[in-house]
Amino acid sequence: KAGVTQTPRYLIKTRGQQVTLSCSPISGHRSVSWYQQTPGQGLQFLFEYFSETQRNKGNFPGRFSGRQFSNSRSEMNVSTLELGDSALYLCASSLYGGAYTDTQYFGPGTRLTVL
Amino acid sequence: AQSVTQLDSQVPVFEEAPVELRCNYSSSVSVYLFWYVQYPNQGLQLLLKYLSGSTLVESINGFEAEFNKSQTSFHLRKPSVHISDTAEYFCAVTGTGANNLFFGTGTRLTVIP
Repeated sequence: KAGVTQTPRYLIKTRGQQVTLSCSPISGHRSVSWYQQTPGQGLQFLFEYFSETQRNKGNFPGRFSGRQFSNSRSEMNVSTLELGDSALYLCASSLYGGAYTDTQYFGPGTRLTVL
Repeated sequence: AQSVTQLDSQVPVFEEAPVELRCNYSSSVSVYLFWYVQYPNQGLQLLLKYLSGSTLVESINGFEAEFNKSQTSFHLRKPSVHISDTAEYFCAVTGTGANNLFFGTGTRLTVIP
């Protein structure tokens, strides 16, 4: 069974631009979560989608948004990029969400660099 | 709310020596605890988890962790490390009904030949 895939793996953008990251979950998984990983803040939860609905959201500004399609693939968008948005963005999928009942499987991440 | 503290950011250890990576949690509700490992340029992989029952949980590659409610800890141990264990290790916590994990800042384990 194929794992979680994320595209692109690397991105370089400049301040003020916007970016879209993509995540394809494991086949059959309906929950997709996004995390931001930085050296200073560690791993922080962005949001979780289940059956095309956002169920849970972390403490990030509105510039960070996402969506999920009917095939469970998810996209994350960051508008008006800031230098501090440079990070590794990780996507995780699971069958139903529920972080303690379902194992979350992580993708390799998208490394975003904002210049 | 839940949170996790990983007390050591870096742990160097010689090959075949024992290692302990420390994790303390804070929570106002019942907790579920996890250890994830991240190898260079890869995503996180679940190493082991505590949901309920026996407080000692083991992974398939020789790691174990013990849930200690009185000390609010979930330390990760291995009696003899290998070079291939070099990676970053993250402790995480969640609570009943939550859909997301709260991670610690990670501990970089470096195994020295």
